[in-house]
Amino acid sequence: EVQLVESGGVVVQPGGSLRLSCAASGFTFEDYVMNWVRQVPGKGLEWVSLSGWDGDNTFYADSVKGRFTVSRDNSKNSLYLQMNSLKPEDTALYYCVKALGAGYGSAFDHWGQGTLVTVSS
Amino acid sequence: SHELTQALSLSVVLGQTANITCGGDIIGNKNVHWYQQRPGQAPVLVIYRDSNRPSGIPERFSGSNSGNTATLTISRAQGGDEADYYCQVWDSSFWVFGGGTKLTVL
Repeated sequence: EVQLVESGGVVVQPGGSLRLSCAASGFTFEDYVMNWVRQVPGKGLEWVSLSGWDGDNTFYADSVKGRFTVSRDNSKNSLYLQMNSLKPEDTALYYCVKALGAGYGSAFDHWGQGTLVTVSS
Repeated sequence: SHELTQALSLSVVLGQTANITCGGDIIGNKNVHWYQQRPGQAPVLVIYRDSNRPSGIPERFSGSNSGNTATLTISRAQGGDEADYYCQVWDSSFWVFGGGTKLTVL
């Protein structure tokens, strides 16, 4: 059974930094593209970042480009999101999401339960 | 950048058919994926690459995509289908989600 467990969400001040982690199990992690998606409670879904299978190819939403960095450790079956220069508008539930395949345009077939990041003074 | 337009809400009578649309320039040239999100839960993939159902998704869910509109069709709507539905496309280097449609089953 595929499992994605996010951690690291906390309350942080504007301008602060945070690192989210996602522990994956139940599939061959290194074979799949992974993503981060966020959602403000009561609002829609916003894609944040994508990591190719080897971590060398990464993509970001314009809203986080230059501030967030996605990485992965295939030996630990883990995905990370380093979040710097946080803004109040980054407040959201952050989901770790597995893609259906190795292609960048693969649909998202498994989602974690999310970790809540709150940026507030 | 690509924008996807969805109606904010849609109502369907129990047992009838709901058609949830997703509009975008030449969306027919792209692969569209659809997600269902029930209140308090993570999204679930219900249709991928326009019209393919993942295992475990009922045959009542189907999809099509042509021209400037992709459509998720839910036949014989049930109370459990009440949820938010999101369309999604990959636009070369970034993902785009539609704003979501809230489906109410009357």
